[in-house]
Amino acid sequence: QSALTQPASVSGSPGQSITISCTGTSSDVGGYNYVSWYQQHPGKAPKLMIYDVSNRPSGVSNRFSGSKSGNTASLTISGLQAEDEADYYCSSYTSSSLDNYVFGTGTKVTVL
Amino acid sequence: QLQLQESGPGLVKPSETLSLTCTVSGGSISSSSYYWGWIRQPPGKGLEWIGSIYYSGSTYYNPSLKSRVTISVDTSKNQFSLKLSSVTAADTAVYYCAIAGTTYAFDIWGQGTMVTVSS
Repeated sequence: QSALTQPASVSGSPGQSITISCTGTSSDVGGYNYVSWYQQHPGKAPKLMIYDVSNRPSGVSNRFSGSKSGNTASLTISGLQAEDEADYYCSSYTSSSLDNYVFGTGTKVTVL
Repeated sequence: QLQLQESGPGLVKPSETLSLTCTVSGGSISSSSYYWGWIRQPPGKGLEWIGSIYYSGSTYYNPSLKSRVTISVDTSKNQFSLKLSSVTAADTAVYYCAIAGTTYAFDIWGQGTMVTVSS
């Protein structure tokens, strides 16, 4: 089971928009609309931000949006704020090797 | 709103079995739950899915851990559990339990529990 590929870090100034990519294969990201994104602040449990590629759970800011094209999914944060500084992980259902779920490598978002 | 709490030893000796329990409060574990899972995070590293158990009882494990992992659920106690055998220092991590309520996304997480493997 190979982790989904994310950039190690992304940065932006307050108010700007940033996009985090998540690249997988046709057995995971490209094959199913079951991509989700998690935000994790230091010492805290992950928090679900996006599910099923582009859906936001109740209570999550609409500044967070998700999309997918082929084997690559993306998370966009618009109107970047200081509290958005955190680690972000994508994940996907996967049908390879009878396993079920795979996380991305994680991206550190820095607000300059 | 469901809440999860992991419990178990914080220190496990090499070659022994790591056992953790996730207790669900605020509702029944078997209502509106799609599947339950365990995820871990070694210090300073990323998230790793360990395995999941579906409402039907079917289990799925990370291939790299499959030979050592068992996940089970006890609906009468509102708990689900993780057992990881033959542990080594590489199994040192924060272990999270989580629930996916409606789709393949973990929308409720426990706070996590640190497990150190050391003699």
